Amino acid sequence: QKEVEQDPGPLSVPEGAIVSLNCTYSNSAFQYFMWYRQYSRKGPELLMYTYSSGNKEDGRFTAQVDKSSKYISLFIRDSQPSDSATYLCAMSWGGGYNKLIFGAGTRLAVHP
Amino acid sequence: ETGVTQSPTHLIKTRGQQVTLRCSSQSGHNTVSWYQQALGQGPQFIFQYYREEENGRGNFPPRFSGLQFPNYSSELNVNALELDDSALYLCASSPRTSGGISYNEQFFGPGTRLTVL
Repeated sequence: QKEVEQDPGPLSVPEGAIVSLNCTYSNSAFQYFMWYRQYSRKGPELLMYTYSSGNKEDGRFTAQVDKSSKYISLFIRDSQPSDSATYLCAMSWGGGYNKLIFGAGTRLAVHP
Repeated sequence: ETGVTQSPTHLIKTRGQQVTLRCSSQSGHNTVSWYQQALGQGPQFIFQYYREEENGRGNFPPRFSGLQFPNYSSELNVNALELDDSALYLCASSPRTSGGISYNEQFFGPGTRLTVL
């Protein structure tokens, strides 16, 4: 079993839709949770960063962490074609060095 | 503020050769991590450097080695290249306090795409 599971998609939605992306994890020691966006053949871009459980909102993006269920989500409101990319969840324990454990990524396509 | 930069962009090598990839960290960041991303997969942690020393390592063999320089830039060296080493190699930088507390936000460069034939 992988430490972080993420549905690879692809996920195809019409412009303006609300998108829900999810990851589950097995290690209860994870404390820090991140979402990255990666365009084709580019490096990952940090979108959202949260510590422990709770919600965080930034513009059209909302990140949720439920540590009791070992489940994290990213919601994208009013999706745009420019949101078409691969979305990677990542998490870490914190502490002395901050190794990130990534999911496999979900490919999202937003069509006009 | 300058972001993370990596060179070269693309590289083609043959099996058994050696390769060196380079990374300049984001301004003010003193910690550099390297990741390997195979096609269709998430990045896998190779190692991290802080104060010019390896500070943590993932499940990669010793033929993967690195350096960090006083200006916080870094190199990843891979010896005896194998076909499975073909991947996107990503460098990420993050700040760390003088007390050694690490920040978990990591900022990635564009990557170097390595093809091993």
